[in-house]
Amino acid sequence: KQEVTQIPAALSVPEGENLVLNCSFTDSAIYNLQWFRQDPGKGLTSLLLIQSSQREQTSGRLNASLDKSSGRSTLYIAASQPGDSATYLCAVTTSGSRLTFGEGTQLTVNP
Amino acid sequence: DGGITQSPKYLFRKEGQNVTLSCEQNLNHDAMYWYRQDPGQGLRLIYYSQIVNDFQKGDIAEGYSVSREKKESFPLTVTSAQKNPTAFYLCASSIIVENQPQHFGDGTRLSIL
Repeated sequence: KQEVTQIPAALSVPEGENLVLNCSFTDSAIYNLQWFRQDPGKGLTSLLLIQSSQREQTSGRLNASLDKSSGRSTLYIAASQPGDSATYLCAVTTSGSRLTFGEGTQLTVNP
Repeated sequence: DGGITQSPKYLFRKEGQNVTLSCEQNLNHDAMYWYRQDPGQGLRLIYYSQIVNDFQKGDIAEGYSVSREKKESFPLTVTSAQKNPTAFYLCASSIIVENQPQHFGDGTRLSIL
C-alpha cells in the first residue's frame, strides 16, 4: 500500500528565506506527483505536477523535483513571502487516477 | 466561470440522521472524487467515479454512499452508519487523461450536534 510522508509537519521562517519541503513515498510505481497548496478552511490548489518521466517542474518562485527511484520529492520556495503561508500537500497518482496524500507541511512566513 | 461548487459550506448532523453533501462541476470532467480530511491530516479517498452510473469505493467507503446520475453531479451521503462523521469533505474532478491534475471545490465542514 502506497504511503506518503511529509517532513517537516510545520515550519516557521522569516520573510525572504529560501526553504525546502520534503515528501517521500513508499512505492515508486507512480504516474505523477503533485504539490498542492491549502489555505485554512479552503480546498486545494494545484501548484505543480511532475510526470514520472520528469525530474523537475518550475513555476515562478516554486521548483519541485522528483527522484522516483528513491521515492522522494522536494518543493523549493525561493524568497518566501507572508502570502506563502499555507499548508502544502504532496500527493502521488497510482492506478485508476487515485491520489494518495501526505499529511502536509504547515508553513508560516513571518513578516 | 468554470469550477467545482460544493454546498453547503457548513452542515450539522443529528445522531442517527443521514445527510447529503452536494458537488457540482461545469468543467466537463468525466471523473469525480470525494475525500475526507481530518485535522492535521492529509486527504483520504472515500469514493470516485470515472463515468456516469458507475463508481468505485476508495479507502474509507464504509458509512458513505454516492450516486452519479449526471456527469456534472456527484453527491455524497453520510449515513448514520458512519460513527465519526465530523470532518472536512472535499470534492474533486479531473479529465481521464494521463497526468492531468484534479481540481478541488472549497469543501463542506460537517459537524455533529
